[in-house]
Amino acid sequence: AQSVTQLGSHVSVSEGALVLLRCNYSSSVPPYLFWYVQYPNQGLQLLLKYTSAATLVKGINGFEAEFKKSETSFHLTKPSAHMSDAAEYFCAVSGYGNKLVFGAGTILRVKS
Amino acid sequence: EAGVVQSPRYKIIEKKQPVAFWCNPISGHNTLYWYLQNLGQGPELLIRYENEEAVDDSQLPKDRFSAERLKGVDSTLKIQPAELGDSAVYLCASSLVDGSPLHFGNGTRLTVT
Repeated sequence: AQSVTQLGSHVSVSEGALVLLRCNYSSSVPPYLFWYVQYPNQGLQLLLKYTSAATLVKGINGFEAEFKKSETSFHLTKPSAHMSDAAEYFCAVSGYGNKLVFGAGTILRVKS
Repeated sequence: EAGVVQSPRYKIIEKKQPVAFWCNPISGHNTLYWYLQNLGQGPELLIRYENEEAVDDSQLPKDRFSAERLKGVDSTLKIQPAELGDSAVYLCASSLVDGSPLHFGNGTRLTVT
């Protein structure tokens, strides 16, 4: 079975500061890992995915995430936050059969 | 390409009434998913279709929820009768094949009063 824990339901950063959103996973099989972003009143949009190739994954909008098997983590980072990054971010894991299991989400607030 | 289309965007009904949600996936996408998203939580899978076959409906409350995907394209999710606890956002997603990235619609926000 797979599960995801996102540390921090709310994260606040200043514009231009580093963004770090934490995700730890549990999986009984080699995982596929994803980060999705959800803007208010919209569906989820894929930011990036890890599928057992390079451990450092680059996504859209300047985001990247690093898969660390020893720490069972897949934290999302962005060097410099922009006001448009304010949204809710979901980490998700899947094993066989593409059954995605989502974390509870982290709301990112960007202060000017 | 057009994205996943869901309707209606918002629905308000009284408890014990029936309600239906509609989803049109991206053209050519064989796999279709219905997710439930409660406030402050991540989406949870209700049902997954491969073409017209429901291959995973283990999380669908079958006493009141039903779904269909006629001809392997559009899908409808129904609740009858609705309960107060069904108030949530219902998301539809599709993928080209099982294992490829999911594309989500904007969801239907259901409020049961």
